[in-house]
Amino acid sequence: GAGVSQSPRYKVAKRGQDVALRCDPISGHVSLFWYQQALGQGPEFLTYFQNEAQLDKSGLPSDRFFAERPEGSVSTLKIQRTQQEDSAVYLCASSLPYGQGEKLFFGSGTQLSVL
Amino acid sequence: AQSVTQLDSHVSVSEGTPVLLRCNYSSSYSPSLFWYVQHPNKGLQLLLKYTSAATLVKGINGFEAEFKKSETSFHLTKPSAHMSDAAEYFCVVSARTGGSNYKLTFGKGTLLTVNP
Repeated sequence: GAGVSQSPRYKVAKRGQDVALRCDPISGHVSLFWYQQALGQGPEFLTYFQNEAQLDKSGLPSDRFFAERPEGSVSTLKIQRTQQEDSAVYLCASSLPYGQGEKLFFGSGTQLSVL
Repeated sequence: AQSVTQLDSHVSVSEGTPVLLRCNYSSSYSPSLFWYVQHPNKGLQLLLKYTSAATLVKGINGFEAEFKKSETSFHLTKPSAHMSDAAEYFCVVSARTGGSNYKLTFGKGTLLTVNP
């Protein structure tokens, strides 16, 4: 596609509900990242995939957060039993095989509000 | 470990005047450094990047940044602000975390306001 696509654009969940956020990276991009951006803060790293392999998940805040990319393309970030502190914008980014200076292409994000 | 400090959370300038957004970094390895811009309801867009080539880096929309290793700084500048420059700006450091893995660390952002 033309860019990184994320859906839904907005998600409202009641506390305790499970949510699934989708990311469609740019075709051919093997590296995929998830970031969490709280209101008024910079994005914080959650997890990183190279193709279908999850190489780094050190940023996932708890075991309620789970990410997958089973076929090395589309990725889903799942949050179980959502809490109010999970409210944030979740950003997905993709790149060619990621090296130190590689440019990331970001989606517009999914804004999650947990009530 | 790596980190980024954006020294100003908010900068306000008049249209046509210079812009200076300050960033200091810390990295155990030779870093790559980036500036990204985020307009409301839009995705982050790369302005420019430094990857150990020329220390003065030119980016899009007239922005440039200078890498100063002795000061561990990577300040973003523009000679003349335009109304369309109003946005949130993020300084980002990328460094190796081990093996072939790299991690991008974002600063907290600087909100640039441009007054007519």
